[in-house]
Amino acid sequence: SQQGEEDPQALSIQEGENATMNCSYKTSINNLQWYRQNSGRGLVHLILIRSNEREKHSGRLRVTLDTSKKSSSLLITASRAADTASYFCATDAGLEKLVFGQGTRLTINP
Amino acid sequence: KAGVTQTPRYLIKTRGQQVTLSCSPISGHRSVSWYQQTPGQGLQFLFEYFSETQRNKGNFPGRFSGRQFSNSRSEMNVSTLELGDSALYLCASMATQSYNEQFFGPGTRLTVL
Repeated sequence: SQQGEEDPQALSIQEGENATMNCSYKTSINNLQWYRQNSGRGLVHLILIRSNEREKHSGRLRVTLDTSKKSSSLLITASRAADTASYFCATDAGLEKLVFGQGTRLTINP
Repeated sequence: KAGVTQTPRYLIKTRGQQVTLSCSPISGHRSVSWYQQTPGQGLQFLFEYFSETQRNKGNFPGRFSGRQFSNSRSEMNVSTLELGDSALYLCASMATQSYNEQFFGPGTRLTVL
């Protein structure tokens, strides 16, 4: 079963614009992670935010976490064609497993 | 360091057959997890191994099994294949005490005909 729900399911923007994806989850978590997947390939780890953190940056990525609302957002600034991919949030609620959302398919148009 | 490797990358089987997939984790990583990805169900956790012991298992039938060897390499086996087993099978490895930050391999694409 999926813990995370991602919104929107699909997003299409112009190159150079910012892209924001949201993730909501149901139970208490230790941390939340974002992954990228290019067209049916393996997942690439982007960023991890712990439950006691509110915001984290990595290059053009900015992640926020609101544990009171059980939600997170991923912002990609100054998007590039190479950012076209599916993005997944994954929650770690213990037990050494991740529970993934259904993902947001991001398309960057040149 | 070399990343997580999975073999084979693509596999075609027929219903009723069995299949074994292999995963080599990043050097030094002792935890290996397996996930199934399908368009309908998304990414679902199969099981996780640490030091040759299964620590956690997802909600999959007993036809799905796995094991881990002393060098941390892992295999998963699916017996009596069904059409619905067609999926991308992903393996991930994790360093000890790493906040469950997992590094994924490229996956094995299994097609059951």
